[in-house]
Amino acid sequence: QLVLTQSPSASASLGASVKLTCTLSSGHSRYAIAWHQQQPEKGPRYLMKLNSDGSHTKGDGIPDRFSGSSSGAERYLTISSLQSEDEADYYCQTWGTGIRVFGGGTKLTVL
Amino acid sequence: QVHLVQSGAEVKKPGASVKVSCMASGYTFTNYGISWVRQAPGQGLEWMGWISTYNSNTKYAQKLQGRVTMTTDTSTSTAYMELRSLRSDDTAVYYCVRDYSWNGVDCFDPWGQGTLVTVSS
Repeated sequence: QLVLTQSPSASASLGASVKLTCTLSSGHSRYAIAWHQQQPEKGPRYLMKLNSDGSHTKGDGIPDRFSGSSSGAERYLTISSLQSEDEADYYCQTWGTGIRVFGGGTKLTVL
Repeated sequence: QVHLVQSGAEVKKPGASVKVSCMASGYTFTNYGISWVRQAPGQGLEWMGWISTYNSNTKYAQKLQGRVTMTTDTSTSTAYMELRSLRSDDTAVYYCVRDYSWNGVDCFDPWGQGTLVTVSS
């Protein structure tokens, strides 16, 4: 079964970097994913598509501070030079055969 | 610019139906599918299903099978999601998303602005 697992919460200081993780279930380690950001009281926004080889394609207007990388079944979202507006929920999502799957989301707090 | 614009908020009674629309602009409508995603208050994102705007093929989440129908009107570049036999736990914000996945080329962007559906007696 295709499942994405995310830690429920993360925190980092203003100006620092943070790395969020999304883990694909066994047997699905080559799947591409997308990262989406949801700021408080707003709808989700697409950040990037991230492939198993670490290559990624960002959405329009997404700052260079956001980057992606991969290792095995893990997909990472790194945000550098954290700003207050980066405090948000971050969801990973993938495409299965006839199905789309979301991770449970990670709530990022900027201290 | 690519945009998805959804219909306005709805309040429905338990047992009723709701139909949410999603009008696309800025791209060739039939080149991309549309997924519907919902988010209950304080909860995460839940994929509801997908429709091909090219041939109207659909895929629905198992838990909603039999209660949800997705359709499109290519003449107006509009997708629709109808949910029947509404319950209180269907209260959520409903989003449409442009969705394409074929041969290693994948897209799940942009999102509509969301439509709040409240189910209450």
